[in-house]
Amino acid sequence: GGIITQTPKFLIGQEGQKLTLKCQQNFNHDTMYWYRQDSGKGLRLIYYSITENDLQKGDLSEGYDASREKKSSFSLTVTSAQKNEMAVFLCASSMGGQDTQYFGPGTRLLVL
Amino acid sequence: QQQVRQSPQSLTVWEGETAILNCSYEDSTFNYFPWYQQFPGEGPALLISIRSVSDKKEDGRFTIFFNKREKKLSLHITDSQPGDSATYFCAARQQGTGSKLSFGKGAKLTVSP
Repeated sequence: GGIITQTPKFLIGQEGQKLTLKCQQNFNHDTMYWYRQDSGKGLRLIYYSITENDLQKGDLSEGYDASREKKSSFSLTVTSAQKNEMAVFLCASSMGGQDTQYFGPGTRLLVL
Repeated sequence: QQQVRQSPQSLTVWEGETAILNCSYEDSTFNYFPWYQQFPGEGPALLISIRSVSDKKEDGRFTIFFNKREKKLSLHITDSQPGDSATYFCAARQQGTGSKLSFGKGAKLTVSP
């Protein structure tokens, strides 16, 4: 078994601020993902990475940067937080692109 | 454009009843359909999945029925328990792209004792 750890659990930011979310997995999975979950909108893919130092844009990449520093970690940066923004950011990993995705518990973002 | 649609958005059933959650999709190249279950404060977790070569997949009280011709599938939860109260996401993957799942908006199930 393994676990995905996301930090921080809660993040409160100011409008225009740059905010960084971190994800660590110990499954030894190759592929990692960042999703955004808004109430009533399901999960939307922001970025994914199929191996260390690889980055692929998802459907919602505008306004975000990502970094896969090593196999076990994947970071997401909100480049300029939008006022009244509220969402949950979910990190996931899978062995390969065709395999089951395992999700972390999420980071809850609130922008004042 | 929403590639995967779910209905109803929310459903309440009594304990012991069968809950039915529906899903439809647009893209005929989708060939893998997982259902994820999410409890409040947690990330989604894979519950059950089906490939387009099958029309039914069963795992305990959870069954997926799949109709390729109509591009529809449904998740049946028999003998529903209060612990099944969660949000359920239908997802689909396009053949050949590998990494990208398209998710529906989710369906919130409440099982009343």
